Amino acid sequence: LAKTTQPISMDSYEGQEVNITCSHNNIATNDYITWYQQFPSQGPRFIIQGYKTKVTNEVASLFIPADRKSSTLSLPRVSLSDTAVYYCLVGPSGTYKYIFGTGTRLKVLA
Amino acid sequence: DVKVTQSSRYLVKRTGEKVFLECVQDMDHENMFWYRQDPGLGLRLIYFSYDVKMKEKGDIPEGYSVSREKKERFSLILESASTNQTSMYLCASSLAPYEQYFGPGTRLTVT
Repeated sequence: LAKTTQPISMDSYEGQEVNITCSHNNIATNDYITWYQQFPSQGPRFIIQGYKTKVTNEVASLFIPADRKSSTLSLPRVSLSDTAVYYCLVGPSGTYKYIFGTGTRLKVLA
Repeated sequence: DVKVTQSSRYLVKRTGEKVFLECVQDMDHENMFWYRQDPGLGLRLIYFSYDVKMKEKGDIPEGYSVSREKKERFSLILESASTNQTSMYLCASSLAPYEQYFGPGTRLTVT
């Protein structure tokens, strides 16, 4: 089973926009891309999900190019409370099949 | 609100013991998952189930088995616990292919 690829860590300052990219070269036709946020000692929490193009909700945007081999989570104007680990998950079929990558540790600085 | 509950938050077992971790969801979700999480390794899928009595192996099924006799309940079984199974275990459920809802986790220590 394959894993998605993300940067291991990122630093940002409060108020900045943060973009985290995930690579999933072998995405299958009926796979969705889902992003999760995880704080220490808690289970991951859903942020956003998409299939193609752009999806936006009250906390984030998700950009997916036409070939769907990557995706970018965009967090507008981050705050200290956004410091967490962010995971992308591709599934339900194909080679990724609910396999989480190692995630991106985002640290927001004052 | 979807609720996923796990039978224990903390568990201490001895090497060689049989260990049962229980997970219950209340939203009639067809999919249920067991992950383990270790520092630096992220979440790793052990098993998932897409229907009652149906299961599929994830990335690291060795040393584990699962049981799903009822739709709302998914059990993870360590037949003979070993120290390398000391970890945080997370259960999740979803209405495929949509977002997974995670439980609070069980921190298992095997001594």
